[in-house]
Parts: sequence; C-alpha cells; structure tokens
Amino acid sequence: GENVEQHPSTLSVQEGDSAVIKCTYSDSASNYFPWYKQELGKGPQLIIDIRSNVGEKKDQRIAVTLNKTAKHFSLHITETQPEDSAVYFCAAPSSGGFKTIFGAGTRLFVKA
Amino acid sequence: SAVISQKPSRDICQRGTSLTIQCQVDSQVTMMFWYRQQPGQSLTLIATANQGSEATYESGFVIDKFPISRPNLTFSTLTVSNMSPEDSSIYLCSASQGQGNTGELFFGEGSRLTVL
Repeated sequence: GENVEQHPSTLSVQEGDSAVIKCTYSDSASNYFPWYKQELGKGPQLIIDIRSNVGEKKDQRIAVTLNKTAKHFSLHITETQPEDSAVYFCAAPSSGGFKTIFGAGTRLFVKA
Repeated sequence: SAVISQKPSRDICQRGTSLTIQCQVDSQVTMMFWYRQQPGQSLTLIATANQGSEATYESGFVIDKFPISRPNLTFSTLTVSNMSPEDSSIYLCSASQGQGNTGELFFGEGSRLTVL
C-alpha cells in the first residue's frame, strides 16, 4: 500500500542553526507534498507545500525540495528560533481517492 | 481559507458511554474528514464525511463505533460509541476546499477524550 516515511522522529538544534526533515513516498503518481506544523494543543497547520512540477520552493526561512526520481522530499528551516519548536508532519496524497497519508512526524526542539 | 471550530475541546468520559463531537467550518468546504491522533503519534484517518450520505470509513473503523453525520457543507459530527479506555485520543476534524487531495487541509484544534 501507499506509505510515507519520515525521519528523524526527534531533532534537537541550537537556536540559529538549520534543521532538515526528510520524507520518502511510495506512490510515483503523487503530485502534491505538503508540510504541516502542529504546536502543542493545536491542530496541524500547513506551512509550505510543493507540487511535482517544481523542485524547490521557499518562503522566508522555510524551504521544501522535491526529488521525484528518488520519491523524496525535504523540509529545510534556516535560522531556527524557539518558536519553531513543534511537531512537523510531511504528507502525500493517496492514489484513487481523497485520502492524505501523513508521515510519522518529527518533534523539533530549538534550544535557546 | 477556512476556520474550523470543534467542541468539546476536551472531555472525560465513563466506559460504555458515547460522546458526540461537533465540527463547524466558517465557510463552505467540499471535503470534511475525521482523524484520530494518539498521544505522540501521527494522524490516522477515520472516515470522510459525505454531505447527505453515509460516511466513507477507512480500514479498521466502522459506522457502528464511529457514526458520522454531515447534514450540510459546513457542519459535521463524529460520535464515539460505547467508549473504552482504548478510545482515549485526540479527534481532529479537517476540511478542504478543493475537489481532491491535492490542496491544503484545514484542521480544528482537536477534541481530547479521556475514557476512564
């Protein structure tokens, strides 16, 4: 079946450093790859997404890269700040329906 | 965009009882979904709430345990029936404004249920 794998499960960085979270997907037909941030006690919120017709997208301190050949996409956060501490989920659409498959999540800690 | 309100935000329930969670969206959406999130875990789709018809359930979830209603484009309910401690979890309502699964999902803040 379709699968989205996400690594690492936990990431601790010093404030100001960069953080990278990686995901792989199994369905080669997938064409939309969002990243969600979930803060404690809240629902996930979309922070950036990328479609299969581009290889990279940036929005201020966050960027996402996509390698369709390798079926791999990554979230990059530069100049991390304590408020970046949260759980991040990658996701991809399932084929043949309206379902979204989420990765296992990465708990990011940014130490001041 | 869409703002999703869920209630209750949290509740403590007795074993064997049922609880209904309400989800209200501030704008018309095409798709509405219910997810379960165990503490520290990822999101697991329970079902897609279909307007005016029976919900579409994922493997492992059944209508008798999780009846869902969606009477219009902006409102849905999820009932957790005959609860047991294993049902203790966060239940999230979600919605999208597109036709498929290639657009943003909006989430409510979740309903945290504890079953004693």
